[in-house]
Amino acid sequence: EVQLMESGGGLVQPGGSLRLSCAASGFTFSNYWMTWVRQAPGKGLEWVANIKDDGSEKYYVDSVKGRFTISRDSAKSSLYLQMNSLGAEDTAVYYCARGTIAVAGLDHWGQGTLVTVSS
Amino acid sequence: QTVVTQEPSLTVSPGGTVTLTCASSTGAVTSASSPNWFQQKPGQAPRALIYSTSNKHSWTPARFSGSLLGGKAALTLSGVQPEDEAEYYCLLRYDAVPWVFGGGTKLTVL
Repeated sequence: EVQLMESGGGLVQPGGSLRLSCAASGFTFSNYWMTWVRQAPGKGLEWVANIKDDGSEKYYVDSVKGRFTISRDSAKSSLYLQMNSLGAEDTAVYYCARGTIAVAGLDHWGQGTLVTVSS
Repeated sequence: QTVVTQEPSLTVSPGGTVTLTCASSTGAVTSASSPNWFQQKPGQAPRALIYSTSNKHSWTPARFSGSLLGGKAALTLSGVQPEDEAEYYCLLRYDAVPWVFGGGTKLTVL
């Protein structure tokens, strides 16, 4: 059974940093693109970043470029999101999701971890 | 900035049929955008329904189908069940910014 479990969320002050993790199991992690998606309270979904199966390509939404870094560790079957210079607009539930074969979309999602940026 | 537009809300009767659409500000949606559809119920993570326009995941109920309709991506629910009441999101893939979600459609079954 494919499982994705996010962790690392919490309360952080504006300008602060946080590192999210996503532990994957039930599939060969190194064969799949992975994605971070976020959802602000009461709002819709927003794609944040993608990383290729081997980590050689990374893509970001404009609003996080230069502040967020997506990475992965195949030995640990884990996906990460390093978030720096956080602002109130980054407050959201962050989900990790697995790309489908041929990167045609997303199939499995984690339950999400809440990040709150507030003083 | 690319914008993906969905109907904000739709209402359907149990057993009825409803079509949700997904439009792109860049022009007609094609299979190259690999439209995906997701269902999200309150307090839950999104659940994938459709990928690559019309392909179902193994867990997707048969009453859900995806297509291209009049330059838009479309999700049709036939024989709607009360448990289909949820928020539905489409996702389109672009070259410059790989993925953009639509704003979501709140489907009410009444």
